[in-house]
Amino acid sequence: KQEVTQIPAALSVPEGENLVLNCSFTDSAIYNLQWFRQDPGKGLTSLLLIQSSQREQTSGRLNASLDKSSGRSTLYIAASQPGDSATYLCAVLNFGNEKLTFGTGTRLTIIP
Amino acid sequence: GAVVSQHPSWVICKSGTSVKIECRSLDFQATTMFWYRQFPKQSLMLMATSNEGSKATYEQGVEKDKFLINHASLTLSTLTVTSAHPEDSSFYICSALGQGALGNQPQHFGDGTRLSIL
Repeated sequence: KQEVTQIPAALSVPEGENLVLNCSFTDSAIYNLQWFRQDPGKGLTSLLLIQSSQREQTSGRLNASLDKSSGRSTLYIAASQPGDSATYLCAVLNFGNEKLTFGTGTRLTIIP
Repeated sequence: GAVVSQHPSWVICKSGTSVKIECRSLDFQATTMFWYRQFPKQSLMLMATSNEGSKATYEQGVEKDKFLINHASLTLSTLTVTSAHPEDSSFYICSALGQGALGNQPQHFGDGTRLSIL
């Protein structure tokens, strides 16, 4: 059974700093990995999707990497802003079905 | 980009009431839709997968008679919480998967429905 873990559970950093969020998964048989953002009381916004054959994806100040063999992904946020404050979730699409398994999330707070 | 609309966004009702939540894909056809439940400060837990025109597949531990799912068209799925009780209070989120090669596209999520049963 796939298990997805995110460390740390919560993170606070001063505005302007670069930061890295971590995601690990136990079963490397995946189609892809997605990073999402969730604001309080809201749904999920897809940030980046990395196919299993890819190593990284970039969108603006965000860069996500994937090391499938070691079961790890990172989300790098450059020059953080207060508007980046949210909960970040990673999820893997398991090979053999269409189900996403979500991580536990990292609650990020950017301090102005 | 692909948009998924979920309605209503917030429901407060008395115990014993049945509540229907709608999930619509606005600008694409969704062959598969998913329903998730999220408790405060926890991650999303998949409840069921629905494919257009067929019965939903429920995850272990989810009561299918309690949570009725209908996926009548390629753009609409509904979740009905029947005879809701306070323990059913939660945040319910749907997502939709468009047509195309599996794994090549993301799931698109609605904004969620906060259900509060008094």
